[in-house]
Amino acid sequence: GENVEQHPSTLSVQEGDSAVIKCTYSDSASNYFPWYKQELGKRPQLIIDIRSNVGEKKDQRIAVTLNKTAKHFSLHITETQPEDSAVYFCAANFNNDMRFGAGTRLTVKP
Amino acid sequence: DSGVTQTPKHLITATGQRVTLRCSPRSGDLSVYWYQQSLDQGLQFLIQYYNGEERAKGNILERFSAQQFPDLHSELNLSSLELGDSALYFCASSSGGRLGTGELFFGEGSRLTVL
Repeated sequence: GENVEQHPSTLSVQEGDSAVIKCTYSDSASNYFPWYKQELGKRPQLIIDIRSNVGEKKDQRIAVTLNKTAKHFSLHITETQPEDSAVYFCAANFNNDMRFGAGTRLTVKP
Repeated sequence: DSGVTQTPKHLITATGQRVTLRCSPRSGDLSVYWYQQSLDQGLQFLIQYYNGEERAKGNILERFSAQQFPDLHSELNLSSLELGDSALYFCASSSGGRLGTGELFFGEGSRLTVL
């Protein structure tokens, strides 16, 4: 079945620094790659997504890059703020469903 | 508010028992997904329904079953419960249809505690 691997599992940065989270997927047919943010005790919420016909997408301080050849995509957060602290999940579509990475716990230290 | 409603929010039960978790998707969404999230763990895909039909199956135990009804709400049935079944169960809905390429909107989750 589809496998989505996510690294690192934990990430700690100083406020104002950048954070990068990386994911790889196994199914070359996957063509939709969303990122979700889950704050403590809350539901996951979409923060950005990218489709296979583009290589990069930006939304203010967050960006996602996709390398379809390598089956690799990354989330970049610049100028991190304490409120960015959360668990981030990457995902890739597989046939009719969505498979998630194991998550990255990001801590932004003031 | 995502528009996805899950009930109950919390449930405490004993080993060997059976529970039913309910999900009402966003208005107009035909796809419903169920995920299990154990403490400090990731989102494990269980099963997906599209317009009443099972579309994809993940690591769902044989003790678990689900269905989607004509009004599109879905139920996840967990039977012969074990301590390890304690988790947060999320339902999500999508308008992405059969191809799994749309945003998933998650409910608040049902927290199951098995004692």
